[in-house]
Amino acid sequence: GEDVEQSLFLSVREGDSSVINCTYTDSSSTYLYWYKQEPGAGLQLLTYIFSNMDMKQDQRLTVLLNKKDKHLSLRIADTQTGDSAIYFCAESLNNNDMRFGAGTRLTVKP
Amino acid sequence: DSGVTQTPKHLITATGQRVTLRCSPRSGDLSVYWYQQSLDQGLQFLIQYYNGEERAKGNILERFSAQQFPDLHSELNLSSLELGDSALYFCASSVIAGRGDTQYFGPGTRLTVL
Repeated sequence: GEDVEQSLFLSVREGDSSVINCTYTDSSSTYLYWYKQEPGAGLQLLTYIFSNMDMKQDQRLTVLLNKKDKHLSLRIADTQTGDSAIYFCAESLNNNDMRFGAGTRLTVKP
Repeated sequence: DSGVTQTPKHLITATGQRVTLRCSPRSGDLSVYWYQQSLDQGLQFLIQYYNGEERAKGNILERFSAQQFPDLHSELNLSSLELGDSALYFCASSVIAGRGDTQYFGPGTRLTVL
């Protein structure tokens, strides 16, 4: 399809792991991104992965990339209430355009 | 605080009007990006400028235009406004203009068209 797809909602308990999934559109996308948006704020770049990588880890965040299936995931270990936000997956297209998913609203329950 | 500033924070106007949104990038950043975030369209990339020149264009309407000035601040001009233009408009900046270059987002301007 033409859209970057993400599930809209995810709810986890504090201390559990969260996994947010994304399917992107363009197999030639060279960079894939995860952004976090807290209420009333702009987007904060969390991490990105280059297309020649399968995995990238940064503290509590792990990004997995499956190029064959055009599937990207973000795992947040030991999820905290401060992680509650909307998480956007995005791909960088060849023309420097960026395409965003609709965002996954993560709710962390104490 | 990302270091990117946007003014105004809120803007309420009527259909058919024209507005200008302003963005100041982080000190030292040469590239500025504009995005529109609405409930029905999600987050959409509009346009990118690098050191005063247009670098990339996304889903920007012909009624919209932007520019980046010699001091690197940018303005997004929206004209002949329609109800559907109501959205949050974000500006982001980065040091250069390559993919993977971290984009820092401003707090946004909320535009309401009545």
